[in-house]
Amino acid sequence: DTGVSQDPRHKITKRGQNVTFRCDPISEHNRLYWYRQTLGQGPEFLTYFQNEAQLEKSRLLSDRFSAERPKGSFSTLEIQRTEQGDSAMYLCASSLVVGGNEKLFFGSGTQLSVL
Amino acid sequence: QKEVEQDPGPLSVPEGAIVSLNCTYSNSAFQYFMWYRQYSRKGPELLMYTYSSGNKEDGRFTAQVDKSSKYISLFIRDSQPSDSATYLCAMRLIQGAQKLVFGQGTRLTINP
Repeated sequence: DTGVSQDPRHKITKRGQNVTFRCDPISEHNRLYWYRQTLGQGPEFLTYFQNEAQLEKSRLLSDRFSAERPKGSFSTLEIQRTEQGDSAMYLCASSLVVGGNEKLFFGSGTQLSVL
Repeated sequence: QKEVEQDPGPLSVPEGAIVSLNCTYSNSAFQYFMWYRQYSRKGPELLMYTYSSGNKEDGRFTAQVDKSSKYISLFIRDSQPSDSATYLCAMRLIQGAQKLVFGQGTRLTINP
């Protein structure tokens, strides 16, 4: 499978616990994005990486959220001290910019439920 | 007011009908426009990608952009039950922020 891979697909946790999600992008893609999607809404941008550099973060990304992309390959998104409001689908996308054009390819997401 | 407005539906049409999905936007700096299809419990899948005003056709799908009116559309011809999904419009600035801004999504059901 050469698509974007996310793990786990589902995560149920108790409020206050820490969780970590992993994203493996399409191998030749240099950009990697994290989005969050709640029920009935479109995805909202959280952050993105160009290779290993984190270039932009949304105001949605509070201090409890941290993302990394070591060596410009896979990425992790960690949420510390989870709150019920963190319950959402967390989507990863990767892209390759060619001649100014950029097309994002999304993974199937990690569905987080905070009890 | 949201930057991108999209009627959430739901929209239900009979098989074979022509479907029209629309989005309006407020920021004239948006220059790249996309339509994604999202099946239940899956990530969005890119359907159409356009830059200029006018029409772009790909099989049964036609994307239309009217920058003067800040209005984009997706038309689906000969709709099939397999087209039942949520359709998301998305757009991006030509420079600066790289994020996509999505509409709320329209939930579409094609009835056999």
